[in-house]
Amino acid sequence: GAGVSQSPRYKVAKRGQDVALRCDPISGHVSLFWYQQALGQGPEFLTYFQNEAQLDKSGLPSDRFFAERPEGSVSTLKIQRTQQEDSAVYLCASRYQAGGTEAFFGQGTRLTVV
Amino acid sequence: QKEVEQNSGPLSVPEGAIASLNCTYSDRVSQSFFWYRQYSGKSPELIMSIYSNGDKEDGRFTAQLNKASQYVSLLIRDSQPSDSATYLCAVRDDYKLSFGAGTTVTVRA
Repeated sequence: GAGVSQSPRYKVAKRGQDVALRCDPISGHVSLFWYQQALGQGPEFLTYFQNEAQLDKSGLPSDRFFAERPEGSVSTLKIQRTQQEDSAVYLCASRYQAGGTEAFFGQGTRLTVV
Repeated sequence: QKEVEQNSGPLSVPEGAIASLNCTYSDRVSQSFFWYRQYSGKSPELIMSIYSNGDKEDGRFTAQLNKASQYVSLLIRDSQPSDSATYLCAVRDDYKLSFGAGTTVTVRA
């Protein structure tokens, strides 16, 4: 596609519900990142994939967060047993190479846990 | 986790004036620095990247980097109402970006 596509754009979840957020990166982009952006803050790194390999998951806030990219293209961020503090915008970004080039961001998924 | 600090906003400037944004970072080995613009409800958009000490100009934008002082800045000349947005400073460590909290700029017509 022309850009990074994320779905859904908005998600309201009841506390305790599981959610799955999808990211469709730019075709051919090797690197994929997930970031969490709380209101009024900058994006915070969650996890990084190079192709299908998850090379860094140090930013995932708890074991309720899980990300995968099984075929090296589309990625899913799953949050189990959502809590109110999970409410944020979840941004996906992709980059053609592992480093040295611009990362392009998707529009994000705004998650609200009620 | 690297720390990236930006001058607190919001910053309000009249149309046609210069907007000056500042950013400091804590990791001396950082090599790549970026400014992103984020409109409300939209995704961050890269507007400037800088890798070596000195100034880099692109249209109305000038980025300045001083690695000894661990300081990077962004100047927006001839500010326009369309420049009203949040500006995020980002530092790259190998593959991932660390962002500041952002400075919100409002350009008054």
